[in-house]
Amino acid sequence: DADVTQTPRNRITKTGKRIMLECSQTKGHDRMYWYRQDPGLGLRLIYYSFDVKDINKGEISDGYSVSRQAQAKFSLSLESAIPNQTALYFCATSTSGTASYEQYFGPGTRLTVT
Amino acid sequence: GDSVTQMEGPVTLSEEAFLTINCTYTATGYPSLFWYVQYPGEGLQLLLKATKADDKGSNKGFEATYRKETTSFHLEKGSVQVSDSAVYFCALRNAGNMLTFGGGTRLMVKP
Repeated sequence: DADVTQTPRNRITKTGKRIMLECSQTKGHDRMYWYRQDPGLGLRLIYYSFDVKDINKGEISDGYSVSRQAQAKFSLSLESAIPNQTALYFCATSTSGTASYEQYFGPGTRLTVT
Repeated sequence: GDSVTQMEGPVTLSEEAFLTINCTYTATGYPSLFWYVQYPGEGLQLLLKATKADDKGSNKGFEATYRKETTSFHLEKGSVQVSDSAVYFCALRNAGNMLTFGGGTRLMVKP
């Protein structure tokens, strides 16, 4: 079984709809991250969480919110989806120690907002 | 702020050709540098790393040397295979322990 799972894998939604992307991990890592990937722009950090009570905004948090329900679960919500949020979304985890540079990524969620 | 710049792709090579993917960075202090790889339909995974100047990271036949004087971390492989076809991301870790990624370079290797 995959260590970092994301649901759904693909989603098409309409402008203005609320949508939640979910991430679960079995690696026992404290840190979790949400990124979006756009062609030519690499990965940009949306939110990150160093533990259940520590949530921080990343580079592009506007229009997004997150919830860390447990150490193993980190959800990303789009309260009112808009077309320029069409992208590939990745969840990642890492330890909190000196090896925190190595992030483990889920398979991604392809989101299309029409 | 910190930034990473990679050569634009796609890079198309024949099998057994030599690969170079350029990466330069801008950062304060002395960041650690990484290459991540994304195979089709998958998330990113760490390929190699270097934590200080002149370090050489290597894995799976890929190499990259941390060049502080040119702020570069170019990825090289002597003989690519079809299975190396993927998107490659250069990244740095800043003082806040967060990763900054480059835009990615798609490599296509033809048999």
